[in-house]
Amino acid sequence: RKEVEQDPGPFNVPEGATVAFNCTYSNSASQSFFWYRQDCRKEPKLLMSVYSSGNEDGRFTAQLNRASQYISLLIRDSKLSDSATYLCAVNIGMGGKLIFGQGTELSVKP
Amino acid sequence: NAGVTQTPKFRILKIGQSMTLQCAQDMNHNYMYWYRQDPGMGLKLIYYSVGAGITDKGEVPNGYNVSRSTTEDFPLRLELAAPSQTSVYFCASSYGRASALFTDTQYFGPGTRLTVL
Repeated sequence: RKEVEQDPGPFNVPEGATVAFNCTYSNSASQSFFWYRQDCRKEPKLLMSVYSSGNEDGRFTAQLNRASQYISLLIRDSKLSDSATYLCAVNIGMGGKLIFGQGTELSVKP
Repeated sequence: NAGVTQTPKFRILKIGQSMTLQCAQDMNHNYMYWYRQDPGMGLKLIYYSVGAGITDKGEVPNGYNVSRSTTEDFPLRLELAAPSQTSVYFCASSYGRASALFTDTQYFGPGTRLTVL
């Protein structure tokens, strides 16, 4: 089992749709979880951090399920500008290290 | 604040050549990281540092070396470049908490696109 695994994409959705991605992790000791957004050929940028059960920021909601060891990202009312690759990251051990998933590509169409 | 800066933006190397990728941050962050990202893949940790003078290997350290003589700078050295090192390299930094349980947000530089021919 991979340490961090994301829903394979791409997700193609119409504007205004609600879309959800999942990310599973294998290390039950992990305590910090992140969703990053990466635009084509650019650096990842933090979208949301999750340290407890979940987090919400406008149209974006992240939820953590410790029992099943996954985090999800929900995007409501999708915009064309949401088109990007979404990377899930989970901490492992000391030194602030993160393990990244392979990313889920989202394409929002008019 | 410039944040995390990386140079060069692009580089083409011949097999066997060496180079140093530069990374600097002005946020007074303790922790710094080097990742590589191959097409369609996530990021793989090459090396990281929790402070000046302290470095450690990540998932894929072979073929690379690092040093951390100052808080601000964390250069990555490629010795004897190989085609397998063709990738996009990202440097990142984070504040770094005393607790081992929690990890602070990592902030990324714009990346260096390296091609080895």
